[in-house]
Amino acid sequence: GAVVSQHPSRVICKSGTSVKIECRSLDFQATTMFWYRQFPKQSLMLMATSNEGSKATYEQGVEKDKFLINHASLTLSTLTVTSAHPEDSSFYICSARGGGGRRGGLDTQYFGPGTRLTVL
Amino acid sequence: GESVGLHLPTLSVQEGDNSIINCAYSNSASDYFIWYKQESGKGPQFIIDIRSNMDKRQGQRVTVLLNKTVKHLSLQIAATQPGDSAVYFCAERTGNQFYFGTGTSLTVIP
Repeated sequence: GAVVSQHPSRVICKSGTSVKIECRSLDFQATTMFWYRQFPKQSLMLMATSNEGSKATYEQGVEKDKFLINHASLTLSTLTVTSAHPEDSSFYICSARGGGGRRGGLDTQYFGPGTRLTVL
Repeated sequence: GESVGLHLPTLSVQEGDNSIINCAYSNSASDYFIWYKQESGKGPQFIIDIRSNMDKRQGQRVTVLLNKTVKHLSLQIAATQPGDSAVYFCAERTGNQFYFGTGTSLTVIP
């Protein structure tokens, strides 16, 4: 089926540093990628939607200057958490839309494995 | 936003039994639905989908049923196995947007 990867899978950083998370669609072209945040035992919280070649659309309450999203190609989107603080510690998950007909329709969202961010 | 809710937050079943996980959605204009499985510490995994012009779709050990009259979606897992233990959540597509339910935690008892 359609595969979405994330890198790194886990990152620990000091407060004040910036962290970049990559999301790649490995076997399909994703015109739209989504970034989510998930706290333990809670549902996904959509942070932003990014379309290739255009600026990301952020959900209400998500600081665009803090969570920088770049979607430079149809297979890669990056999320940079700038000046990270302990409250930014979370599980960040990306998803990519598209994928063809092998599993799911053309408009299915496929998720990456997630990135666990811990800010000390 | 739209609400996609699950009737039961937790479900425990004996290994080998069938599991049924339910989901209610609120927007009758939703035309596409997906079930995802999320294991602890991992990203959600696509299980099965169904379009609104269908009322049943079967996969390997899983069946999704869609009742548009009462806006209800269910996931049936046959012969549940320990590896099926996870959080399951549904998603609906309305227009260009996807909305996700909060999830049901399925525990399989050996």
